Amino acid sequence: GESVGLHLPTLSVQEGDNSIINCAYSNSASDYFIWYKQESGKGPQFIIDIRSNMDKRQGQRVTVLLNKTVKHLSLQIAATQPGDSAVYFCAENNNAGNMLTFGGGTRLMVKP
Amino acid sequence: EPEVTQTPSHQVTQMGQEVILRCVPISNHLYFYWYRQILGQKVEFLVSFYNNEISEKSEIFDDQFSVERPDGSNFTLKIRSTKLEDSAMYFCASSELVGNTEAFFGQGTRLTVV
Repeated sequence: GESVGLHLPTLSVQEGDNSIINCAYSNSASDYFIWYKQESGKGPQFIIDIRSNMDKRQGQRVTVLLNKTVKHLSLQIAATQPGDSAVYFCAENNNAGNMLTFGGGTRLMVKP
Repeated sequence: EPEVTQTPSHQVTQMGQEVILRCVPISNHLYFYWYRQILGQKVEFLVSFYNNEISEKSEIFDDQFSVERPDGSNFTLKIRSTKLEDSAMYFCASSELVGNTEAFFGQGTRLTVV
């Protein structure tokens, strides 16, 4: 499950700070979006999802914002911890089928 | 917590050989998927499977690939004649429902074709 990508955008934050990871999606027909976390050697792990009839959804320490006008999705992580270090992927589904289309990923590095 | 399990974790095979990657989806899930991730690249959809047939597949899923649910618990991906470019992490996933619903992923099988 490694996403060891030399070309992955990287976000480096201090432990305790808030993190914001952004994603631009491509399909205006997409109506369901998920953020996945992928740690080294593991598969994608569900974090939070949002449907297109919403523009914000909150979970535990995480918030997803959806801006359909500009096809933009963001993941906010409050009080980032070292265990949050991973690659984060957004994924979209257009409900016409059942495949998820993943974005390119962002590597989050948390400095203690 | 129920999880998707995949075996083996790492498979090395010679070019031209057949490989079978195995998955045990979550027991009450009805929809099954295979995705792959070439090193350093994004996760890509291969195929989805429901009610013992393929429901959707991508351009990657050509005639060299096939899927099967040989019994009530296993879901397999077969690559008939592997190529170097098939080297990737292969993830199995399952979901209770189709479409706007969470898909749970396994830990992946790293396939290395030499």
